[in-house]
Amino acid sequence: DTAVSQTPKYLVTQMGNDKSIKCEQNLGHDTMYWYKQDSKKFLKIMFSYNNKELIINETVPNRFSPKSPDKAHLNLHINSLELGDSAVYFCASSQEKALAGESDTQYFGPGTRLTVL
Amino acid sequence: KQEVTQIPAALSVPEGENLVLNCSFTDSAIYNLQWFRQDPGKGLTSLLLIQSSQREQTSGRLNASLDKSSGRSTLYIAASQPGDSATYLCAVNRMRDDKIIFGKGTRLHILP
Repeated sequence: DTAVSQTPKYLVTQMGNDKSIKCEQNLGHDTMYWYKQDSKKFLKIMFSYNNKELIINETVPNRFSPKSPDKAHLNLHINSLELGDSAVYFCASSQEKALAGESDTQYFGPGTRLTVL
Repeated sequence: KQEVTQIPAALSVPEGENLVLNCSFTDSAIYNLQWFRQDPGKGLTSLLLIQSSQREQTSGRLNASLDKSSGRSTLYIAASQPGDSATYLCAVNRMRDDKIIFGKGTRLHILP
């Protein structure tokens, strides 16, 4: 079974449209993330979210918004798409460690390649 | 199959020391290698990205090198500070299927 899944795998759309990318994890994790991999293959965090708080990378435009209908899902909504939004978007999840100072292993989805025309 | 190994798994050093973290990978057909830091309960923060055609990248007190032929990368941290304490991960972007393969990380603790 796929641990972290994303749909769609490919998304081609016109500039100005609004679109969503879905992410689901079946690992029972309490924290989910969205990352953007740009044209230079640089992977950068956009959001991290659990039931306690949403942390937004300050460089992310407010046209991007995460929506979490439940603990297993974190969807990414993008309004008024721009050419520069073309990238691969990765979802990830992790379970926060109980021990202070311990980092949690992140499990990544396969990515969604978004192309804005 | 691409494997990414990081040694050591954990490291404690006194503040002020210079240190090196190691990353090795089995398949040299990569687009790039990226170093991240991860703080407990947080996502990954990108530090440096080295394209396959490059040998090194520098940012502040950090310097990352890449030797693709031997399948190795190092992350050098100069004049370590307590704020550097975190888990450091390296990841390669595999050419064959464009997947990102992560190492398990090195947990770094800087002693004040």
